[in-house]
Amino acid sequence: NAGVTQTPKFRILKIGQSMTLQCTQDMNHNYMYWYRQDPGMGLKLIYYSVGAGITDKGEVPNGYNVSRSTTEDFPLRLELAAPSQTSVYFCASNLGGLNTEAFFGQGTRLTVV
Amino acid sequence: KQEVTQIPAALSVPEGENLVLNCSFTDSAIYNLQWFRQDPGKGLTSLLLIQSSQREQTSGRLNASLDKSSGRSTLYIAASQPGDSATYLCAVRQNFGNEKLTFGTGTRLTIIP
Repeated sequence: NAGVTQTPKFRILKIGQSMTLQCTQDMNHNYMYWYRQDPGMGLKLIYYSVGAGITDKGEVPNGYNVSRSTTEDFPLRLELAAPSQTSVYFCASNLGGLNTEAFFGQGTRLTVV
Repeated sequence: KQEVTQIPAALSVPEGENLVLNCSFTDSAIYNLQWFRQDPGKGLTSLLLIQSSQREQTSGRLNASLDKSSGRSTLYIAASQPGDSATYLCAVRQNFGNEKLTFGTGTRLTIIP
């Protein structure tokens, strides 16, 4: 069981470039999330999805977009990268229901220069 | 707005000692609380999930307690080992339906051989 898989693991972008962070899970989970983790700041929710075709904003959505065309995949799109988007990005999923565990990918370390 | 605090930010203890990590939250209307471990440069690994109706949950040398009314949780680690060195994060789930997690900033634990 692969769990939650994120690609790439590392990426350097120049200011103004765009990229897509990929996330896929093989656990048939309904709920998927994107978080960013900045040093000493904890994890902040960017976007989340409660099922295919449904997405919603989290705490820090500006500068990002998402789509959820399948249950398995939840890509995060960065348009016009800015230095403030330098961070570690984590994708997570859970089955849904009152008390289910969240499972996380290994993260993508993004640097914008 | 829910706020989750973990104090201290860092902790060093000699190998073999028992230790307690603390997590506090401001809004007691939670559905569950989850403890995670994060190794440097890695993703988050779920350790324990404790439901709001539970007082404690155990897994091996780990024991998590929850006092919802006072907004506190502790993670007890027995007979600490160097392999326990990592950052420990707690997260609370508050809103049923979107199942977002609100994270603390973590405690960086170092076990001294």
